[in-house]
Amino acid sequence: DQQVKQNSPSLSVQEGRISILNCDYTNSMFDYFLWYKKYPAEGPTFLISISSIKDKNEDGRFTVFLNKSAKHLSLHIVPSQPGDSAVYFCAASAWNSGGYQKVTFGTGTKLQVIP
Amino acid sequence: NAGVTQTPKFQVLKTGQSMTLQCAQDMNHNSMYWYRQDPGMGLRLIYYSASEGTTDKGEVPNGYNVSRLNKREFSLRLESAAPSQTSVYFCASRQGRSNQPQHFGDGTRLSIL
Repeated sequence: DQQVKQNSPSLSVQEGRISILNCDYTNSMFDYFLWYKKYPAEGPTFLISISSIKDKNEDGRFTVFLNKSAKHLSLHIVPSQPGDSAVYFCAASAWNSGGYQKVTFGTGTKLQVIP
Repeated sequence: NAGVTQTPKFQVLKTGQSMTLQCAQDMNHNSMYWYRQDPGMGLRLIYYSASEGTTDKGEVPNGYNVSRLNKREFSLRLESAAPSQTSVYFCASRQGRSNQPQHFGDGTRLSIL
């Protein structure tokens, strides 16, 4: 059961335009959401996060939007740059019964920014 | 500024062989994790260690064992490798327990023939 879904395996965007990456989740207990970026042959690196009590968080060119009623979040990159070409993972966390915050990752979306 | 270091980067094993993947972090983080990444599956948690001296199973622990040797080091052992364990393995660490991002190593690409 995939609790965090990224339904678009890939996305191509022209340089300078907006990139929108989407993520859906099913577990209403998730209370914190993160986006990671991954280049080939490297580990994922943290990009931006949002708490469930907010609906938007912005950091430079990156903005994450959270729609709790729809159980949907999105990452906007404006303007997109060739260096943004990478795989983007959505992740969501929830506390488990053991007092530990478990993180569940989506399957990733490969973004290609075309110069 | 090493962060999380994984060794080896690549390894080829034969079915039935054993192997230990090493991970060390220099950020004084309490929590450490092992994930595997497979095509179309995202990152799946194998084992984690919330603090030195403790380890717990994640989503896919079968066929693996772990050791939290000290605060810096967290190793993953395959006792009898199987082709289904062919994957890219990532180690990660995190400060504290809540709402902190994980820091990942660059991965170990493991092939089992």
